[in-house]
Amino acid sequence: GAVVSQHPSRVICKSGTSVKIECRSLDFQATTMFWYRQFPKQSLMLMATSNEGSKATYEQGVEKDKFLINHASLTLSTLTVTSAHPEDSSFYICSARPDPTNQPQHFGDGTRLSIL
Amino acid sequence: EDKVVQSPLSLVVHEGDTVTLNCSYEVTNFRSLLWYKQEKKAPTFLFMLTSSGIEKKSGRLSSILDKKELFSILNITATQTGDSAIYLCAGTRSNTGKLIFGQGTTLQVKP
Repeated sequence: GAVVSQHPSRVICKSGTSVKIECRSLDFQATTMFWYRQFPKQSLMLMATSNEGSKATYEQGVEKDKFLINHASLTLSTLTVTSAHPEDSSFYICSARPDPTNQPQHFGDGTRLSIL
Repeated sequence: EDKVVQSPLSLVVHEGDTVTLNCSYEVTNFRSLLWYKQEKKAPTFLFMLTSSGIEKKSGRLSSILDKKELFSILNITATQTGDSAIYLCAGTRSNTGKLIFGQGTTLQVKP
């Protein structure tokens, strides 16, 4: 149980393109999902907390207009990297926490984004 | 500011060895301490610890939390090459549920 599907797993695109990443909880409902970014040989850095039916909460230093988050249902959150540039290239990982809130987070397989 | 520190940062052992990974934390409104294993993709969940002194076991892996000393350890006995990975510990706050990750310990198990 507690499977999180993240899609796509790999994106290569030109600078200026907007890229949408989906995160789905397959066998549970998740009011809250999280988006992380991971640089090579570094730990996960939380970008934002995605709340179903309300606005996402962004961590300090993360541009909300650059990284648009939508959590329209209890099983789906999306992250859109708008007008992506080479410095946005990274490994993006989502996680979902099953309801109720005292459950551990489970992670998707991540999306490797390369902006040329 | 919340902080989670892991040690060592990297470790090389041989198959059959026993390893202990360390995690210290300072997390406001602390709720629980989680351990994850990360291989090539995203982290997979190992343990969630909320109470002091109660050891959790899964096969050759075990973990325990000391809430007085703000410390947790992850033990792996009879290591195998498949245990090679980055091991992440993270603290959570009770009010937000956010994970505050440590830097990770990179474990390499040689045949």
